[in-house]
Amino acid sequence: AQSVTQLDSQVPVFEEAPVELRCNYSSSVSVYLFWYVQYPNQGLQLLLKYLSGSTLVKGINGFEAEFNKSQTSFHLRKPSVHISDTAEYFCAVTPDTGRRALTFGSGTRLQVQP
Amino acid sequence: ETGVTQSPTHLIKTRGQQVTLRCSSQSGHNTVSWYQQALGQGPQFIFQYYREEENGRGNFPPRFSGLQFPNYSSELNVNALELDDSALYLCASTLGGGSMDEQFFGPGTRLTVL
Repeated sequence: AQSVTQLDSQVPVFEEAPVELRCNYSSSVSVYLFWYVQYPNQGLQLLLKYLSGSTLVKGINGFEAEFNKSQTSFHLRKPSVHISDTAEYFCAVTPDTGRRALTFGSGTRLQVQP
Repeated sequence: ETGVTQSPTHLIKTRGQQVTLRCSSQSGHNTVSWYQQALGQGPQFIFQYYREEENGRGNFPPRFSGLQFPNYSSELNVNALELDDSALYLCASTLGGGSMDEQFFGPGTRLTVL
C-alpha cells in the first residue's frame, strides 16, 4: 500500500515570491508521482509527473518538482508565484506496474497575496 | 478543458435514499476511475472500470457500485445513503491501461446528504 503526506495544509505567500509545497510518500514498491491542481469548483488538472529519468521534472504554469528517492519526497516549487496560482495542490502516487489507482495526499492550499 | 463531463453538478438527497451519478469520458478512453473527495481532504479511490469490468476497488462498502458502458459513459450508484457520503465525487478517464497514463478528471458532482 502507498501513503502520501503533505506536510502543510496551507501556505500563504506574497505575489512574485518563490514557493515550495512539500510532499513525502511511503511505498513498498516503486511508484510514479504526480502533482495535481484544483481550482475552486473544478476537477483536478495535472501539473506534472515523474515516471523515470531526470529527477527534476518541469510542468505547466512554471512549476517544477524534484524526486528524491532516498528521502521519499517529491516537493513542488515555483520561483515566482502569481495571484492566479491560488488553488489547492495535491500530490499523488501510484505503483509503477499494472493498472492502479492514484493515492492522494490531503492537499495544500496555496494562498497568494498581493 | 479535459472533455470529461459529469452530471448532475449538485445533488441533495436524504439519508437512506439511493443516488446515481454519471460520467462521460473522453472518446477512446477505456478506463474510468471514481474518487470521493470529502471536504478538506484529498480524493479517495472508490473503484476503477476497464472495458466494462470492475478492475480494482478501494476501501468502500458494497453499497457503492458502478457500471461502465460501451459508449465511454459510466455510473456510480450509492445505496442507503449516509451523512458521511456527502462529498465531491470525481470521475477520471484514462486512454491507456498503465499507471503512467494521465487520468483526466471531470469537474465532479457535489452530493449533500441530509
